Amino acid sequence: AQSVTQLGSHVSVSEGALVLLRCNYSSSVPPYLFWYVQYPNQGLQLLLKYTTGATLVKGINGFEAEFKKSETSFHLTKPSAHMSDAAEYFCAVSWALTGGGNKLTFGTGTQLKVEL
Amino acid sequence: DGGITQSPKYLFRKEGQNVTLSCEQNLNHDAMYWYRQDPGQGLRLIYYSQIVNDFQKGDIAEGYSVSREKKESFPLTVTSAQKNPTAFYLCASSPREGVNTEAFFGQGTRLTVV
Repeated sequence: AQSVTQLGSHVSVSEGALVLLRCNYSSSVPPYLFWYVQYPNQGLQLLLKYTTGATLVKGINGFEAEFKKSETSFHLTKPSAHMSDAAEYFCAVSWALTGGGNKLTFGTGTQLKVEL
Repeated sequence: DGGITQSPKYLFRKEGQNVTLSCEQNLNHDAMYWYRQDPGQGLRLIYYSQIVNDFQKGDIAEGYSVSREKKESFPLTVTSAQKNPTAFYLCASSPREGVNTEAFFGQGTRLTVV
């Protein structure tokens, strides 16, 4: 079975500081990994995804993530936090469903707080 | 603009009642999904459908039912058999082909039992 673990349910950073949100995965096959962001009372928006190829993936809003197979990690980073980054972030792993479509397994989420 | 529309945004249910949550998409996606979100637990898959007139149970299907009569629509009914229905419900869709394609999410429906 595939799964993801997000370390730290709450992370607090100062505005302008580095953002680092951790995600480790468990997968018996090459994983397809995603980061989603959720603002209060809204749906999930895709930040970035890793499929194959380049291990450093760039996403929207200045976020990026690096796939490290040796560490089974897919941590999300942003060099300089902005107040508007305050949200909940979910890491997810995807695998194919028989008959088509994907099943996403989500981590438990990390709430990011950005302070002045 | 293409997207997924969930309605209503907020829903209140009395104990013992069935309620239906609406999900409509105009992305021309074959696959649709329902997830339940509880604080600190991430999202869990309730049901999914890969094609019209077919659907499968996810990880927490008990107390829920769905239908898929049209490609665009995938309503979820929360039945009285669901013992703890208060949660945030998210509908999503994706193309059938390709395991690396992302799912697109609606804005969610917050269901509260009163």
